[in-house]
Amino acid sequence: KAGVTQTPRYLIKTRGQQVTLSCSPISGHRSVSWYQQTPGQGLQFLFEYFSETQRNKGNFPGRFSGRQFSNSRSEMNVSTLELGDSALYLCASSLDWGYQPQHFGDGTRLSIL
Amino acid sequence: AQRVTQPEKLLSVFKGAPVELKCNYSYSGSPELFWYVQYSRQRLQLLLRHISRESIKGFTADLNKGETSFHLKKPFAQEEDSAMYYCALAQTSGSRLTFGEGTQLTVNP
Repeated sequence: KAGVTQTPRYLIKTRGQQVTLSCSPISGHRSVSWYQQTPGQGLQFLFEYFSETQRNKGNFPGRFSGRQFSNSRSEMNVSTLELGDSALYLCASSLDWGYQPQHFGDGTRLSIL
Repeated sequence: AQRVTQPEKLLSVFKGAPVELKCNYSYSGSPELFWYVQYSRQRLQLLLRHISRESIKGFTADLNKGETSFHLKKPFAQEEDSAMYYCALAQTSGSRLTFGEGTQLTVNP
């Protein structure tokens, strides 16, 4: 089975712009979670989607949003980008809601200039 | 609120020496704990989960509810064990993981 796929791998944006990141879970996996990884804060949970509904949300501002499609693919969007949004964004999928373990993608490296 | 603490950011040992990576947690419910590993230029991957009680690549971890710890141990470290190790706690609701800050393990020849 193919693993979790995230696109694009790298993105460079400027302050004030918006960005959309994409995640395709492992085939058959229905739960998708997003994490932000930075040197200072480590790995922090953003949100979790299951059955096209956000089920959990981390402590991030409303500029961070996401959605899930009927085929379980997910996107996350960040609007009005700030320098502090520079990070590696990781997507993880699991078989079902509340199911472990999670399987991670390679991430999207977002750099804000 | 749940919290995971890994007190050592960096840990360096020699090949063949024992290694222990510390993890402490705080959680009001019944915890489900994991160790994830990230080798250089590879994705984050699961190493161990406490409910499996198995040994992977020679690593073991025991959940100690009294000390709220889940330390990762290996009796004889190998150079290929050099990686970033994260301890993680799963909530009872959903698949959300709370991660520790990570420990960078270096095994010297």
